[in-house]
Amino acid sequence: EADIYQTPRYLVIGTGKKITLECSQTMGHDKMYWYQQDPGMELHLIHYSYGVNSTEKGDLSSESTVSRIRTEHFPLTLESARPSHTSQYLCASSETGLGSGANVLTFGAGSRLTVL
Amino acid sequence: KNQVEQSPQSLIILEGKNCTLQCNYTVSPFSNLRWYKQDTGRGPVSLTIMTFSENTKSNGRYTATLDADTKQSSLHITASQLSDSASYICVVSEAPPGSRGNTPLVFGKGTRLSVIA
Repeated sequence: EADIYQTPRYLVIGTGKKITLECSQTMGHDKMYWYQQDPGMELHLIHYSYGVNSTEKGDLSSESTVSRIRTEHFPLTLESARPSHTSQYLCASSETGLGSGANVLTFGAGSRLTVL
Repeated sequence: KNQVEQSPQSLIILEGKNCTLQCNYTVSPFSNLRWYKQDTGRGPVSLTIMTFSENTKSNGRYTATLDADTKQSSLHITASQLSDSASYICVVSEAPPGSRGNTPLVFGKGTRLSVIA
C-alpha cells in the first residue's frame, strides 16, 4: 500500500480561509513534489523540494507556499483561499540519484479542495 | 514546446477485450517514458518505465512499446478487467538526470478507459 499520505482527502472551505494540506512519506525519499490536477487535464508541478530546507517553485504559478523542515513532511499552505484554488492537489516523492528508481514518482491519494 | 499527446481521450470496451492506448511526444532530449494508472479519486501509480534503448516492456497484462525514432509509445492491455477502468497517463522525462537527479517531467492529459461488463 501507499507509503505517502495526504490529509485531508477532501476539504470544502469558504473564501479567505487559510488552509494547509499535509503530506508525509515513510520511504526516506529526499525529493518531494506538489502537483495540481484539474479534471481531464494534465498534472502541473507547483512546488518541489530536493531535501530538508530546500523548496523550489514549479512550472505552474501558484499562490501557495511549502516548507520542508523534516525529510518526511512537505506541507502546502494557502494563506487566503479563493474559488480559483479549487482543484485536486497531489503530493509525490522519489529517490535521488541516477538509477532507474530515480524520478519514478510515488503519489499520495490526493487532496480535493473546494473553495466556495 | 515539449508536449505529450495521448489518444484516444476516452475509450469504452467490453470486459475481456484488448485495447491499445497511444502516446506521442515532442520532448527532447529524451530520457525515459513512463505509463501511470490513475484510479478515480486516487493518485497515479507507475505501470512501466522505458528508457531510450527499450522497445517493449511488460507488467502483467500491460505491455508498453516505445519507438524513440518516431517518438511514439503505446500501452496495450490484454484481456481487460473491470478493475482496469482508470485514467492512463503518459509521462516523458525531458533530459537525463542532472547531478541532483532532477528531471523535468512532461505529463499527458491521459486516456480515460472504461471497461464494462
